Amino acid sequence: SQTIHQWPATLVQPVGSPLSLECTVEGTSNPNLYWYRQAAGRGLQLLFYSVGIGQISSEVPQNLSASRPQDRQFILSSKKLLLSDSGFYLCAWSPQGGYEQYFGPGTRLTVT
Amino acid sequence: DQQVKQNSPSLSVQEGRISILNCDYTNSMFDYFLWYKKYPAEGPTFLISISSIKDKNEDGRFTVFLNKSAKHLSLHIVPSQPGDSAVYFCAAITSGTYKYIFGTGTRLKVLA
Repeated sequence: SQTIHQWPATLVQPVGSPLSLECTVEGTSNPNLYWYRQAAGRGLQLLFYSVGIGQISSEVPQNLSASRPQDRQFILSSKKLLLSDSGFYLCAWSPQGGYEQYFGPGTRLTVT
Repeated sequence: DQQVKQNSPSLSVQEGRISILNCDYTNSMFDYFLWYKKYPAEGPTFLISISSIKDKNEDGRFTVFLNKSAKHLSLHIVPSQPGDSAVYFCAAITSGTYKYIFGTGTRLKVLA
């Protein structure tokens, strides 16, 4: 069966510090991968998606970036965090040709 | 522009009764719709989906209805159980794309 891992679960970072969140998927190959952010009391906002290694599409201009160095690995990064980057970050995958998305457990990021 | 709307932020239902969660969309290009359940501090869990070629899809206690002319979908949970208490998100996507649009969620509370 497929599983998706995200880490860390919680993170407190000062403004201006770098960020790296990692997501890995097991049990499937060539998944579509996604990064979302959920701000307090809001819905899920799509940040990035990837349909293959090295292929990244950005949906929201911001100081975040994403990379996919391996087929089942998706990384969310920032060089300098802003207060507005605080939120709940979720990684998800969907199979090629399918639309059901499966989410990881999420990372709670607090920028202080 | 909120393309997917869940106008009821919260809903309370007695155990054993029907829960009906509603979702409206504005983009007529959406042709696939999904419902997710989310507990606090966890990632959303996929519940059920429906393609625009159907008007109903059923999976156990969960049924999704789609009214394309009204651009409206609903999730019915029968019978409701206390474990169903969570936030429910609807999402929509246009086939061939990767951009999921989520509603802001409805918090369901099932009272024992």
